[in-house]
Amino acid sequence: RKEVEQDPGPFNVPEGATVAFNCTYSNSASQSFFWYRQDCRKEPKLLMSVYSSGNEDGRFTAQLNRASQYISLLIRDSKLSDSATYLCVVNRDDKIIFGKGTRLHILP
Amino acid sequence: DAMVIQNPRYQVTQFGKPVTLSCSQTLNHNVMYWYQQKSSQAPKLLFHYYDKDFNNEADTPDNFQSRRPNTSFCFLDIRSPGLGDAAMYLCATSMGQASYEQYFGPGTRLTVT
Repeated sequence: RKEVEQDPGPFNVPEGATVAFNCTYSNSASQSFFWYRQDCRKEPKLLMSVYSSGNEDGRFTAQLNRASQYISLLIRDSKLSDSATYLCVVNRDDKIIFGKGTRLHILP
Repeated sequence: DAMVIQNPRYQVTQFGKPVTLSCSQTLNHNVMYWYQQKSSQAPKLLFHYYDKDFNNEADTPDNFQSRRPNTSFCFLDIRSPGLGDAAMYLCATSMGQASYEQYFGPGTRLTVT
């Protein structure tokens, strides 16, 4: 089992809809969690850190469930510009593990 | 305003011909990372520097080397590129290890002919 797993998608979602996807991690000692966004042929860019209490940034909400060992990303009122690959990153003891990413296509 | 700069953005090299990719940062971050990313795959960490301390990932081939002459610059040397080394090479920085977010450069796309 991979240490960090994501549904690769693609998720095809109409503009304006709400979409959510999860990232599961296998090591309970994992310490910090991030969502990055990567556009085609571009570098990953930090979308948000994921805090234990959950956090929200505009239309984006990230949550951490330590008991079930997953993090989630919720996007409300999706825009065409949200189309990208969303990478989950889990850190543990100075080890950085990327998920393979979930592809999101927002449809006009 | 560029914070992590990579040069060149596109590099073509011949099979077996050494190539060097460069990364510089204006963030004064302690940690610099090199990743390899192939199409539809996650970035794969090759190695990182915490200040001058070099940390190699166990599965990074010996063909890949790195140098960090000062805080701002870090280089990736591929001694004998093979066709399988064609990829996007991403440099990233962070203030510290593990719990800190990373800032990525735009990447260098390497083609091996």
